[in-house]
Amino acid sequence: DIQMTQSPSTLPASVGDRVTITCRASQSISSWLAWYQQKPGKAPKLLIYKASNLESGVPSRFSGSGSGTEFTLSISSLQPDDFATYYCQQYLNYSTFGQGTKLDIK
Amino acid sequence: DVQLVETGGGLIQPGGSLRLSCAASGFAVSSNYMSWVRQDPGKGLQWVSVIYTGGSTYYADSVKGRFTISRDKSKNTLYLQMNSLRAEDTAVYYCARGLLTGGFPWVLTLWGQGALVTVSS
Repeated sequence: DIQMTQSPSTLPASVGDRVTITCRASQSISSWLAWYQQKPGKAPKLLIYKASNLESGVPSRFSGSGSGTEFTLSISSLQPDDFATYYCQQYLNYSTFGQGTKLDIK
Repeated sequence: DVQLVETGGGLIQPGGSLRLSCAASGFAVSSNYMSWVRQDPGKGLQWVSVIYTGGSTYYADSVKGRFTISRDKSKNTLYLQMNSLRAEDTAVYYCARGLLTGGFPWVLTLWGQGALVTVSS
């Protein structure tokens, strides 16, 4: 099984900050990686797929990069609506999610 | 409106069975990749099962042999039959649609609101 490890688990930040979340795969997954945002009591929402492709309707302040085993999700200027939990997901071999990164208000 | 609505969750005793339904509107379930994903209370996400447009099905090892994914074209509904339920199957179960363009079944572009399944005596 491919394991996905996100860091940090919690990230305190302020509105306007630029933040970066890292996701590492236990083996190379090429660019078969997606990022999701989840708010409490809601279903996850797709942000990025194939490591860097922005899903339609997602603000351009979100960006993804990486390939192989190391990936990042960046938010260029945090907005109040961005405080949520973020998950990475590999889909090279079936699907595995990371454990999540909670973006907290500092 | 394009949406997914899950029903069928509830409290069930260990060893019991339950069937979840996921009614789709605005698109055809049979023409899309459809998945079930679950989330332990307060914890992370786990992919459970997928059904391809051609009918092929795949399962996570943790549910293989116990869960069955299926669909009904006439009702435009996805199902998850869950047998031999265990306490560790307790979770919110989401149905979700995969990205058809480019052929990415596990890139989940549309999710339902979730159905809570609690396995407890």
